Amino acid sequence: DAGVTQSPTHLIKTRGQQVTLRCSPKSGHDTVSWYQQALGQGPQFIFQYYEEEERQRGNFPDRFSGHQFPNYSSELNVNALLLGDSALYLCASSSPLGGGDEQFFGPGTRLTVL
Amino acid sequence: GIQVEQSPPDLILQEGANSTLRCNFSDSVNNLQWFHQNPWGQLINLFYIPSGTKQNGRLSATTVATERYSLLYISSSQTTDSGVYFCADYTNAGKSTFGDGTTLTVKP
Repeated sequence: DAGVTQSPTHLIKTRGQQVTLRCSPKSGHDTVSWYQQALGQGPQFIFQYYEEEERQRGNFPDRFSGHQFPNYSSELNVNALLLGDSALYLCASSSPLGGGDEQFFGPGTRLTVL
Repeated sequence: GIQVEQSPPDLILQEGANSTLRCNFSDSVNNLQWFHQNPWGQLINLFYIPSGTKQNGRLSATTVATERYSLLYISSSQTTDSGVYFCADYTNAGKSTFGDGTTLTVKP
């Protein structure tokens, strides 16, 4: 049973560039959430996707956008990168309407903005 | 939104000691989880515990939803228990809130 997978593992970008991160949910899960974790802090909720639509959003600017595909995989896009966007980006999957509210996390993508 | 406070922020133990980590919530608990984050950043599920008590080996957790707190107990700690422990609540509407974590260091 494959768990949550994310790609790439590491990424280095420069200010002003755009980045796309990818996530494949755990088998049987249809809901994907994205989090940003800065050094020394807990993960901060960015948004959640269900049925290819953004279902909930945290306090992040519109530079952060996402997409969910019919196979439930998801992308996180960040435009006009700032130095402060450097962080570990985590993806989690769940299946709340399937009776499972427990979230499972991927290994993360570490983004460095120079 | 809900606020999550974890205590203590840092904990240093000698191998073999027991410890209790606490999470307080500002509002009703929905779908509470405890995680252990390893040095590579992977969040490992420890417990999904909206209420009641669960045990898994040397670890156990208790959530008292009516009083808005949860406890994680680690008995006979080992050096491999070191890392950051997070609690998080996940609402039925899909929003999650994490605490700032407890950093546990277990010395041999």
